Amino acid sequence: KQEVTQIPAALSVPEGENLVLNCSFTDSAIYNLQWFRQDPGKGLTSLLLIQSSQREQTSGRLNASLDKSSGRSTLYIAASQPGDSATYLCAVGYPVGLRGRLQFGAGTQVVVTP
Amino acid sequence: KAGVTQTPRYLIKTRGQQVTLSCSPISGHRSVSWYQQTPGQGLQFLFEYFSETQRNKGNFPGRFSGRQFSNSRSEMNVSTLELGDSALYLCASTFGQSSYEQYFGPGTRLTVT
Repeated sequence: KQEVTQIPAALSVPEGENLVLNCSFTDSAIYNLQWFRQDPGKGLTSLLLIQSSQREQTSGRLNASLDKSSGRSTLYIAASQPGDSATYLCAVGYPVGLRGRLQFGAGTQVVVTP
Repeated sequence: KAGVTQTPRYLIKTRGQQVTLSCSPISGHRSVSWYQQTPGQGLQFLFEYFSETQRNKGNFPGRFSGRQFSNSRSEMNVSTLELGDSALYLCASTFGQSSYEQYFGPGTRLTVT
């Protein structure tokens, strides 16, 4: 049974520091891994999608890596800003046959202080 | 291009009632998935529809059902509501069968009293 874990559950950093968010999963037979951002009471915003054959993806200040063999993904946010305050969730996507289904971690709540 | 839309945004029901939530995917997307988010259980997969057919179903009781129409719009229904059904219900859409990036709507906040 797949388990997706995000540690720490909460994180507070001063503005300008780099953020490092961790996601681990127990079953390496994943199709992809997606990182999301969720603001309080809102839906999810897709940040990055990494296919299982890829090692990393980058978008602006965001970089996500994927190591299937060790069951880990890391999201880096460079030069954090107060607007980066949100909950960040990772989700593993299953292979064909379970298409469309994502299994989520519990999230890391991030606060960036000015 | 418009994003995923969900209606209504907020809903208050009493125990025993039923409720229908609606989701309109991004134009051109043919797959719609539903998720339930609660503080205790986090985000859990409910079901997925593609071309009006349910392809996958999560571990929820039969009180939770859904359907998809020919225009890809989807509805989910919860019958005989329980207090524990209070949650944020999120809908996500995906383009066809070749892309797995999911785009989420703003959600429907359901409160059962």
